[in-house]
Amino acid sequence: DTEVTQTPKHLVMGMTNKKSLKCEQHMGHRAMYWYKQKAKKPPELMFVYSYEKLSINESVPSRFSPECPNSSLLNLHLHALQPEDSALYLCASSQDSGGAGGPVGELFFGEGSRLTVL
Amino acid sequence: KQEVTQIPAALSVPEGENLVLNCSFTDSAIYNLQWFRQDPGKGLTSLLLIQSSQREQTSGRLNASLDKSSGRSTLYIAASQPGDSATYLCAALAPMDSSYKLIFGSGTRLLVRP
Repeated sequence: DTEVTQTPKHLVMGMTNKKSLKCEQHMGHRAMYWYKQKAKKPPELMFVYSYEKLSINESVPSRFSPECPNSSLLNLHLHALQPEDSALYLCASSQDSGGAGGPVGELFFGEGSRLTVL
Repeated sequence: KQEVTQIPAALSVPEGENLVLNCSFTDSAIYNLQWFRQDPGKGLTSLLLIQSSQREQTSGRLNASLDKSSGRSTLYIAASQPGDSATYLCAALAPMDSSYKLIFGSGTRLLVRP
């Protein structure tokens, strides 16, 4: 099973709402990632979790709050977003993140959550 | 700072043609290079992964090569089909601080005409 599952597939929210994006993998991977992708642009890294600890935060605004409850799950909590935050949010996982010398291997991506902020 | 560039940005070919997509990176200190396919509004599907010590990888009609010294990778698609129409992204895994970061090119949008 090389699947990364993301829910919901689509989300529309107002600027005062609080919502969450969820990501799950059962490949035994110890590194999980959040990426943001705007239309016709490549994905941009937001966060990296390695062994359930946040290892990289690419200076993402605090209105995005990641959480890794266990090695299979990754959440992205959203609060007070702006319309410019509308994008496709992609989750990915890999065997390791390389930070502790472990092999990174192949990154597997989910289908993404399409977020629209009104 | 590592930068990844893909040429061409868009490509339209008739069905059956063999084609080459190009990817270049500025710093040869990469851990691996991965090619992805993305259909409109969808996630990324991993096609091929080439480790820094490897020269090429093959999967079906796809062949990817890596030349670290010249900072180049190519994705060769044989006997193209309309179902190959998608955006193809290459990404180099580069060292960053005490970890690694996947740096993407802007992609090549491929259209295979029936």
